[in-house]
Order: sequence, then C-alpha cells, then structure tokens
Amino acid sequence: RKEVEQDPGPFNVPEGATVAFNCTYSNSASQSFFWYRQDCRKEPKLLMSVYSSGNEDGRFTAQLNRASQYISLLIRDSKLSDSATYLCVVRGGTGFQKLVFGTGTRLLVSP
Amino acid sequence: DAGVIQSPRHEVTEMGQEVTLRCKPISGHDYLFWYRQTMMRGLELLIYFNNNVPIDDSGMPEDRFSAKMPNASFSTLKIQPSEPRDSAVYFCASRTGRGRPEGREQYFGPGTRLTVT
Repeated sequence: RKEVEQDPGPFNVPEGATVAFNCTYSNSASQSFFWYRQDCRKEPKLLMSVYSSGNEDGRFTAQLNRASQYISLLIRDSKLSDSATYLCVVRGGTGFQKLVFGTGTRLLVSP
Repeated sequence: DAGVIQSPRHEVTEMGQEVTLRCKPISGHDYLFWYRQTMMRGLELLIYFNNNVPIDDSGMPEDRFSAKMPNASFSTLKIQPSEPRDSAVYFCASRTGRGRPEGREQYFGPGTRLTVT
C-alpha cells in the first residue's frame, strides 16, 4: 500500500464549479500535511498547509481528519488557471524530515 | 532571491554514459533534497542532506546513483552508468530547518529532464 494515496483523476469541471479532492495516508504518526500544486512541466509549489482545525485560503479549503487519516482540498468557483495537478503531501520518515508525495490528482477546468 | 537553481535543464544521453546533475540551494537553507518524478511512480525522494551531510539515502535506487554536497551552496547527483529506465525529471529542493514544522516550506528547482536512449 502506498504511504499517500490519491485519485489520479482527471477531474473535468466547468468554470465556476466546486471540486473536492481527497487523500488518505497510512502513517498514523505523521505530523504535518500539505497540498502542493504542479503545473504541466513545472516544479511543485506549496499551495497550502493543512491544519487540524481546517483552514481556508481564499477559494481553497483544506481539512484534516486524523482519526480516518484523510485529507481533503475543496476549490470553490473554479478558474481556468486552477488547471493543474494537486499533490497531497505528508511529512514522514525517521525524524519526520521527509515529505512523502501522493501521485497527484489532475484537474482540468474548461470554459 | 534566485530560488533553487538546477543545471542542466535538459539532458539527453546514451545508455552507459555518466550523467551529472547539479543543484544550488537557496542561500541559508540547511536541508537539500533530491527527487525523481516519473508518470508511473510520481515524485520519489532519493536522498536528503542536512548541513551538507547525507541523512537518508534509502530512496537511491541502486549503486549506480550517488550524491554529494561538498559545501552549503552546491550538490550533485551522478548516475554511472545510465540506463533508459533512469529517464525522468530530477528535482532538487531546499528548505530551512528553523521555525515551526508546518512552516518549513520546501522550494523546488525547475528540474532536469533526463532522457537516456
């Protein structure tokens, strides 16, 4: 079983739609959680950290359920520019210095 | 700040040749990571350094791969001999070890796209 699992998609949605991505992780001792965004042929970039209480950044809302070992990302009012791959990331490894990446969920927003 | 710098951006080589990828981390960052990304396996951590010392190389696929960090501003990832299955995008990333864990963002370089024929 992979340490971080995501639905690869793609998710095809029209502009203005709300879309949600889910992710599960296997290491219950994981400490920190993130969503990264990766555009085609570019490097991954941090989108937002995920806090236990849930957090929001504009149109983006991230939530964490430690009991179910489940992370989610909600995007409201999708824009064309949101088209990208969204990577679920968990801090793990010995000493929790390593980031473990999911394989990503691809989002395509169409006009 | 220039960000993480990697070179070359693209490398095409023949099977059996030696390949050296280079990385300059962000100044002041004390952690440096090397990743490999393929369609099949996604983004995999190969090795990481703290204060120029290799800490965890458990992701290095085999002895053909080696990495060094001779000083705080430079690291190399070498593949010798290269094989077609090494074709991938190799990313270098760096971050600080200070501050709260959730705030220690990793900054990625633009990557080196390696093709081994």
